[in-house]
Formats: sequence, structure tokens, C-alpha cells
Amino acid sequence: SQTIHQWPATLVQPVGSPLSLECTVEGTSNPNLYWYRQAAGRGLQLLFYSVGIGQISSEVPQNLSASRPQDRQFILSSKKLLLSDSGFYLCAWSVLAGGDEQYFGPGTRLTVT
Amino acid sequence: QKEVEQDPGPLSVPEGAIVSLNCTYSNSAFQYFMWYRQYSRKGPELLMYTYSSGNKEDGRFTAQVDKSSKYISLFIRDSQPSDSATYLCAMSARGSQGNLIFGKGTKLSVKP
Repeated sequence: SQTIHQWPATLVQPVGSPLSLECTVEGTSNPNLYWYRQAAGRGLQLLFYSVGIGQISSEVPQNLSASRPQDRQFILSSKKLLLSDSGFYLCAWSVLAGGDEQYFGPGTRLTVT
Repeated sequence: QKEVEQDPGPLSVPEGAIVSLNCTYSNSAFQYFMWYRQYSRKGPELLMYTYSSGNKEDGRFTAQVDKSSKYISLFIRDSQPSDSATYLCAMSARGSQGNLIFGKGTKLSVKP
């Protein structure tokens, strides 16, 4: 069966510090991968999605970036965090050539102070 | 007009009640419809997935899609305190590469 991991689970970082969140998927090959941010009262915001290694599409301009160095690894980064980057970050995967249902990881709660 | 509208609640019901959760949408290209359940401080969990008008049942859960009215519903029968969570609807269009459009979620509380 497929599983998705995210780490760290929680993170408290000062403004201006760098960020690296990691997501890995097990039990599937060539998945679509997604990064979302969920802020209170604002729903799920798609940040990036990837259909393959090195292929990243950005949905929202911001100071975040994403990379996919391996088929089942997806990384979210920032060089300098802003207060507005606080939120709950979720990674998800879907079958590349299948239906559109997505499966979410446990999330990382980021607080920028 | 937002693409997907979902009443945020909160919705509070007694244990055993039938719960109805709803979303409306404006994009007639949407063909795939999902319901997710999200417990506090956890990732969303896929509950139901459907791509056709009509009803789909899974245990105590029934998903209903009315494409002509651009309206989807999730019914929960015999609700339990463990059903207390936020429920998110999501939908996508054919060929969208899995780019889902989510509702903002309805927070449900089932009281014992």
C-alpha cells in the first residue's frame, strides 16, 4: 500500500530564516506531487505541483520554491521566511495517469515568529 | 463568484442524527468530485470519490452529485462523535492534471 511521509511535524522559525520541508511517497511510481498551504479560514491553497523529476509548476507567486530531486521526493524551500508564511503545509500525491483523487500526508505546522 | 462554495458551519448535531453537507460550484467543466474528512491538526483523508451524477454509498456515507444544478452533497447516517471533523469538498475538470479546487470546509461536531 502507498504511504506518504512529511517532516518535520512542527517547526518554529524566526523571520528571515531558511526553510526546508520534505515529503516522500512509498509504494507507488511516477506520482503527481503537490504542496498546499492551509491557513485558518482560508482553505487549501495549491502552491506547487510536479508531474515528474525536475518538473515543477508554481500556482502562486511567493518567496517559496519547490524541487523534486527524486521520483518520490518533493521538497518545499524558502531562503527567507516571512510572517505570512506561517500555516499548515500539506503534501499530497495522485496517480499520474489515473483519476484526480489526491492523498494527503500528515502535514507540517510552521510558525514564523 | 467563487468556483466552489461551501458553508463553513460550524454544524452541531446530536449523536445518531443524519448530517447533510453541501457544496455548490460554478464551473460546468468539473467532472470529478471528492469529499475529504480532516481531523484537527491532521491531513485531509479521502472519504468519497465520484465522477457521475447520482448517488454513491459507502457504509454510513452517501455522496450525491447533481451536475445539472452544480450541487454536491455528503450525507452521514447515524452520526457518531468520531465523525466530528472538518469536511472538505473538492472537484476538478478533465485534463486538469489533478488540480483540485477545494471548498473551505464545514466544521461538524457530533454531540454524544
